[in-house]
Order: sequence, then structure tokens, then C-alpha cells
Amino acid sequence: GAGVSQSPSNKVTEKGKDVELRCDPISGHTALYWYRQRLGQGLEFLIYFQGNSAPDKSGLPSDRFSAERTGESVSTLTIQRTQQEDSAVYLCASSRGQWHQPQHFGDGTRLSIL
Amino acid sequence: AQSVTQLDSQVPVFEEAPVELRCNYSSSVPPYLFWYVQYPNQGLQLLLKYLSGSTLVKGINGFEAEFNKSQTSFHLRKPSVHISDTAEYFCAVRAGGSQGNLIFGKGTKLSVKP
Repeated sequence: GAGVSQSPSNKVTEKGKDVELRCDPISGHTALYWYRQRLGQGLEFLIYFQGNSAPDKSGLPSDRFSAERTGESVSTLTIQRTQQEDSAVYLCASSRGQWHQPQHFGDGTRLSIL
Repeated sequence: AQSVTQLDSQVPVFEEAPVELRCNYSSSVPPYLFWYVQYPNQGLQLLLKYLSGSTLVKGINGFEAEFNKSQTSFHLRKPSVHISDTAEYFCAVRAGGSQGNLIFGKGTKLSVKP
């Protein structure tokens, strides 16, 4: 498809397990963002990739969170030793790279930690 | 630091009535402002953006917003709403410096009743 694709759409896991979330950005989009949306809250920035530059990790809430991106394509967000407070919708967005270009969002991964 | 305040968490309105969703921002740099809409179980879709120039910005689905520098506001308006406009609306400002991510408000849930 032409949009940002995220998988899985839903993930339920037990506390303490590791999870990996995937994002396929729009082809040609050099910028990729991960956000977290907790129930009743706005979006919280996690990490930002721009081309081959070092990622901006300033939004990651703890060292249990990490993300990688292969070139200008797929990105994975990994949460280790999940906690109940990690339950949220994780949204990925991509854009053409210039900061004023609109960010296109995927439908998100709904993560539930039991 | 940049921040966004959406003053109303919920706005109920009758179909064909006008609506205004309020947004105030704080920015240490010239602000670049966005409104996004989120339908249930979907990602965010850009409604409109203000970068510079005319303070009245027109977006999709008949929405418009006005940038007011003196009041640090960027309120979203529509003269006549439809049932299909029921969704959550997020105001956002671009983070400053070299950061490309957006800082979001907590959202306003618009409920359009027949």
C-alpha cells in the first residue's frame, strides 16, 4: 500500500517479556518518527530518524526502549522487560524529511501488558 | 521549550452547528502549528498546517484555523459540522532547533449529535 504500515496491529503480552514493533514507512520518506499514545493522553515523542544521521533518542522513557532503522526503510521499536505502564498505542509516522513536510501516520500497534 | 494546551477535552455539538476547538501554544522560536484528526482505531491525519504567511489557514473537510500571535492561539473552526466529523482532534507544534518531531496537545474529542 501507499501508506505507513505497522505490525502487529494488536499485541498482548505478559509483564517482563520483550516485544518488537515494526514500521514500514512510505517509500522515499527519509524521516521516521515513533510516538506513544497512552489512554486519554496526547502523543508522546519517542525517537526520530532522519536519513543516515544519528537518531534523536531524547524521547525514549527508559533504557528498556530502543529502536533501529535500516537505511531509509523499515524500523523496529523494541521494549525489553515490559511493564504495565508500557501499555499504549505506539504510532509510527514518516515524512519527506524537511521538517515542514506533513507527517503521515500508520494506524498504530495497540500494546497491552498483562 | 515548546508546549501545546488544548483547553477542552470534550466538545459535544449538534449536527450543522458551528464548532471551535481551542489550542494555545508556547514556543521559544517562530511556531509551526498543525491540526491532526484521529478517527477510532486509526492513525492521525493532517487537517491543516501553519508555517508562515496568511494567518487564516484552510484545510481538508471544510476546517480552517487562525494563527493569532498576540494570543498565542491556533483555534480550529468549522461553520457546520457533520456526524462524520466525530473524532479526536490534536493540535501540535514543531519542536524547536534541529528536532523534527511534533509536540502534541492532549486532544479534544468532538462528538456530533443528530
